[in-house]
Amino acid sequence: QKEVEQNSGPLSVPEGAIASLNCTYSDRVSQSFFWYRQYSGKSPELIMSIYSNGDKEDGRFTAQLNKASQYVSLLIRDSQPSDSATYLCAVNILAGRRALTFGSGTRLQVQP
Amino acid sequence: DGGITQSPKYLFRKEGQNVTLSCEQNLNHDAMYWYRQDPGQGLRLIYYSQIVNDFQKGDIAEGYSVSREKKESFPLTVTSAQKNPTAFYLCASSWTGDGYTFGSGTRLTVV
Repeated sequence: QKEVEQNSGPLSVPEGAIASLNCTYSDRVSQSFFWYRQYSGKSPELIMSIYSNGDKEDGRFTAQLNKASQYVSLLIRDSQPSDSATYLCAVNILAGRRALTFGSGTRLQVQP
Repeated sequence: DGGITQSPKYLFRKEGQNVTLSCEQNLNHDAMYWYRQDPGQGLRLIYYSQIVNDFQKGDIAEGYSVSREKKESFPLTVTSAQKNPTAFYLCASSWTGDGYTFGSGTRLTVV
């Protein structure tokens, strides 16, 4: 089992729809969770962080965390073609190792 | 403006050659990291450093070396022992436990 798992996609949604991206992780003691967006050929950029169970909203983005079920998700409302990118989930796996473990990413395609 | 700078953007390595990738940050972050990304894959951790003069191996450290003599700088050397070095190399920095700021990356190709 991979430490951080994401569906590779592509996830295709029409413009204006809600895109739902999911991530599961293996380490029950993980405390920090992040979503990064990576455009093709570019470096990742941080879009959301979440540390507590529940929802966290920032503009069109909502991160959801459920530690009991070991999953974290990202919702993108009113999806735009400019949201088309790969979304990477990152988790601090292994207590004491202060570095993030990344999933392989989900490619999102927003159709105009 | 504060940020993290990687150079060069493109690098070509001959067989048996060592090359060094530069990473400099002026964000006053304590921690710095090196990741490798292969096409269609996620990021894999090579080395990381929480403080000056200290660093730890990540998941794929074999064939790589680093130094952290200054808070601002964390260069990565790809040695001839790394048999498959062609990849996109990403440097990042952060406050401990916080999200990362990434540099723009270095694309390394073996010729």
